Amino acid sequence: EVQLVESGGGLVQPGGSLRLSCAASGFTFSSYSMNWVRQAPGKGLEWVSYISSSSSTIYYADSVKGRFTISRDNAKNSLYLQMNSLRAEDTAVYYCAKYSSSSAPLAPFDYWGQGTLVTVSS
Amino acid sequence: DIVMTQTPLSLSVTPGQPASISCKSSQSLLHSDGKTYLYWYLQKPGQSPQLLIYEVSSRFSGVPDRFSGSGSGTDFTLKISRVEAEDVGVYYCMQGIHLWTFGQGTKVEIK
Repeated sequence: EVQLVESGGGLVQPGGSLRLSCAASGFTFSSYSMNWVRQAPGKGLEWVSYISSSSSTIYYADSVKGRFTISRDNAKNSLYLQMNSLRAEDTAVYYCAKYSSSSAPLAPFDYWGQGTLVTVSS
Repeated sequence: DIVMTQTPLSLSVTPGQPASISCKSSQSLLHSDGKTYLYWYLQKPGQSPQLLIYEVSSRFSGVPDRFSGSGSGTDFTLKISRVEAEDVGVYYCMQGIHLWTFGQGTKVEIK
């Protein structure tokens, strides 16, 4: 059974930093691209960042480019999101989401974690 | 950036009746490989999003056949043939041809 468990959320002041983690199990983590998607309270979904299986390809949404860094450790079956220079508008539930295909360059996100809440406030 | 626009933003449906959600993209989602990268998700209350439909019309594993997707190019539709109580939640379309963007979401409730 595929499981994705996010952690690391919490309350942080504007300008602060936070590192999110996503622990994966139930599939060959090193074979799949992964993503972070966020959802502000009461709002819709926003894709944040993508990382390929080997970390060779990384993308960011314009809203977080230069402030967030995605990474992964295939030996630990873990995905990370380092968030710096946090703003109030970064307040959201952050989900990690698995790419559905290990080979296709374009694919949907088939499994999502339960999310971790990040609150940026003074 | 590709903008995804869903209509309506909310829908109240009698159980057993059909429901339909429209999604329009600002650019064609037809790739040079011949596939169209449009997906549908359902986020049930208090849960994470779950994949319903991929590549316009293919149902994901375990998705009931009362859910169907159609469309091409920039215009797409999700249909529920007979709405059940468990179908309540927010439905999102998502494009995956150029990075990823979601529609605003359509909230479906039961009358």
